[in-house]
Amino acid sequence: DIQMTQSPSSLSASVGDRVTFTCRASQSISSHLNWFQQKPGRAPKVLVFGASTLQSGVPSRFSGSGSGTDFSLTISGLQPEDFATYYCHQTFYAPITFGQGTRLEIK
Amino acid sequence: EVQLVESGGGSVKPGGSLKLSCVVSGFTFSTAWMTWVRQAPGKGLEWVGRVKPNVDGAATDYAAPVEGRFTISRDDSKNTVYLQMNSLETEDTAVYYCACFGQGAWGRGALVSVSS
Repeated sequence: DIQMTQSPSSLSASVGDRVTFTCRASQSISSHLNWFQQKPGRAPKVLVFGASTLQSGVPSRFSGSGSGTDFSLTISGLQPEDFATYYCHQTFYAPITFGQGTRLEIK
Repeated sequence: EVQLVESGGGSVKPGGSLKLSCVVSGFTFSTAWMTWVRQAPGKGLEWVGRVKPNVDGAATDYAAPVEGRFTISRDDSKNTVYLQMNSLETEDTAVYYCACFGQGAWGRGALVSVSS
């Protein structure tokens, strides 16, 4: 199975900050990498698919990059509604696997 | 608007069965690969399995922990995907989400609790 490792596991930041999360795959997954945001009791919200394509309706302050094994998600200019947990997952091989998540907290 | 709505969750004893449904709207269900993902309390996300479109024989793939116990099926006439769960174990306690990764869409989840 492909292992997905996210870092950091948690991050404290302030409104207006620029933050970057990373996700590393244990083997190459080309660009088959998605990012989504999860808030308690809510449906996961997809932010980026195909490593760098912004899902329709997602604000442009979110951006994704990377290919192969190393990927990142950047939020430029944090808004209050952005404080949540962020996950990456690969869709290149079954079983589909997820990172353990990065919890973004208000400083 | 794309919507996925799960139902059928509840409490069951170990060894019991439960069937979840997920009704889809807002996109062409018949060509969609549909996936089930679960999240145990306080834990990360775990892929359960998926079903391909009928044009691909509605082929299914499952995660090792559920292989042989869980069955995913679809009914294109009802825009619905199902997750039949048999021989449930306490470790199967989780919120179960249905998702269509191709549409970037997830449901809100259904809670399944397995305890004696």
